Formats: sequence, C-alpha cells, structure tokens
Amino acid sequence: EAGVVQSPRYKIIEKKQPVAFWCNPISGHNTLYWYRQNLGQGPELLIRYENEEAVDDSQLPKDRFSAERLKGVDSTLKIQPAELGDSAVYLCASSRGGSLGSEAFFGQGTRLTVV
Amino acid sequence: GQQVMQIPQYQHVQEGEDFTTYCNSSTTLSNIQWYKQRPGGHPVFLIQLVKSGEVKKQKRLTFQFGEAKKNSSLHITATQTTDVGTYFCAGPSSSGSARQLTFGSGTQLTVLP
Repeated sequence: EAGVVQSPRYKIIEKKQPVAFWCNPISGHNTLYWYRQNLGQGPELLIRYENEEAVDDSQLPKDRFSAERLKGVDSTLKIQPAELGDSAVYLCASSRGGSLGSEAFFGQGTRLTVV
Repeated sequence: GQQVMQIPQYQHVQEGEDFTTYCNSSTTLSNIQWYKQRPGGHPVFLIQLVKSGEVKKQKRLTFQFGEAKKNSSLHITATQTTDVGTYFCAGPSSSGSARQLTFGSGTQLTVLP
C-alpha cells in the first residue's frame, strides 16, 4: 500500500510569488491534515479535513493561504503571495479517523524556501 | 487554545544511558500519541495511549499516560545510536474532536557513541 504522497519535495520561489503543494493521502483515509513545521519546532496544524469538509482551519492564515480537498481525496494547499516567513516544511498527513482518533501517516513533506 | 509542551527541548546522552521526555498539556487529553522524527525525515507514529494511567512498552521504550490524562512520558532504556531523532507527543483535547492532533514542541535526542 502506498503511503501519503506529496509533491513537490522542494520548492524555491521569490517572495510575492504564488506556490501550491499537492497531497495524495492513503486510500480510504477520511481525515487529512496540513501541517507547517519550522526548523527545530513541532508540526503546527494549518487545516484538517474530514472527507471534503474543512472542520478546523483556525490556524490557517486566510489572507494568503487557501486549501481544498476535492471529492474528499487529494488536497492542495496554496499560498498567494508568499512571504519570507513562509519558508518551512509543509507536511500532509492522513488517518482513518474514528471516535478515538488513530495514527496519522505523514508524507515526506515539501520544503519551501522563499527568497 | 490547547497547548502541549515537552521537556527537555534537547538531550544528549552517551550510548547505553537512559532517556526520558515529558509531555504536558494545558487541557485534558482524550488520548496521547507519540511520534519519532529522524533528522531530515517526517514524523512516524510510535504508539497511542487512551486510558488514564496506561503504560505500554515497545522493546526498550516505555510510554505512560498520566492519571489525570494531562501528561505523558516516554522512557528509553539503554539508548542506541538508532534512537537519534526528535520525539513528539500529540494529542487532542477531550473537549474537542479526537482527531484534532496538536503536537508538542518535541525533544531532540542525540546519542553519543
């Protein structure tokens, strides 16, 4: 079974440019997470989807960040325009969900550098 | 909002020494999960604890969930160089969804040969 797939692995862009990240979760996983991880820190939740519904996006900077999960499968995270402070690793994770929660499987992440 | 703190932030040990990291939440947790992230890698699930006072072991790793379900610990006996990495706890507040995973700040373990 394939794991969570993210692309691209690395992205370097100039500030004020747009950027998009793509995530393909594990088949059958209803819950999908986007996290941002800065160097030396823990993953910070940006948005959580249950199927196609965004159920927690309180940490998503909505002035420049947007996300979608069409048909409750693949998801994209977009930043427009990017700022220097957006440089980080963007991690996508998925889980089966359930009433007690279940383990989250992470993708390899996209390392974004804004110059 | 919920905050999850871990101590220490960094730990250097000689190979063979024991290691413990502590996780404390500002709110009661419905469950606690532990993850390990190797340098340059992504977080990988280790275990989930659900019951108050629960203790689980995986070979040299012992995980404990506090009686009040607000803290947890991970203890590694006789560390090996393969234990190098950052250990994160993550847990949802009991007042929210069980799938709301808030990660701690992590403890970075270095094992000196």
